[in-house]
Amino acid sequence: GAGVSQSPSNKVTEKGKDVELRCDPISGHTALYWYRQSLGQGLEFLIYFQGNSAPDKSGLPSDRFSAERTGGSVSTLTIQRTQQEDSAVYLCASSWGTDTQYFGPGTRLTVL
Amino acid sequence: TQLLEQSPQFLSIQEGENLTVYCNSSSVFSSLQWYRQEPGEGPVLLVTVVTGGEVKKLKRLTFQFGDARKDSSLHITAAQPGDTGLYLCAGAFTSGTYKYIFGTGTRLKVLA
Repeated sequence: GAGVSQSPSNKVTEKGKDVELRCDPISGHTALYWYRQSLGQGLEFLIYFQGNSAPDKSGLPSDRFSAERTGGSVSTLTIQRTQQEDSAVYLCASSWGTDTQYFGPGTRLTVL
Repeated sequence: TQLLEQSPQFLSIQEGENLTVYCNSSSVFSSLQWYRQEPGEGPVLLVTVVTGGEVKKLKRLTFQFGDARKDSSLHITAAQPGDTGLYLCAGAFTSGTYKYIFGTGTRLKVLA
């Protein structure tokens, strides 16, 4: 079956604009994770969903960041009033319970 | 704050050489994973280690989990250019939530 997909693959926006990033997990996967990766660095945990609920939002950098998941499937990560420091690759991963995470290719966000 | 330090950050070696990458933390993990990431792609899982002292081998790669489950190492024997990439360790926390903390990454380049 299809892997994790993310859209858009690249997003260039102006400082102050809102952006929405989308993640389509592998069908049937109950857990969904969002991470942020700065150039060539490790991954920074943002938020974790189990089903549609988010038991751990501790990684969201500020209240400009929010995420939701609907129908136990698609998730969107919204960044309001983007800042230049938000520029990074945003990665989504899904898993069946606590099993192996499968990552999408990421969305590269550039804030000018 | 849970942190995973990886060393070295960068490694450039000749084909056929051996190398070891280290992943260290002051936190105890329920399990630890190693990933490899190619440019423009999400990380791909190489191995999961669960038991303190556990050693797993994957062809020329040997993974070890520390006895106290706070550290791990990845040893590559006779490195090849195809081993080039970003290597990431990730520790799993399962107390109260389920999330992964990723290490800072080791960028390996193997020269032919």
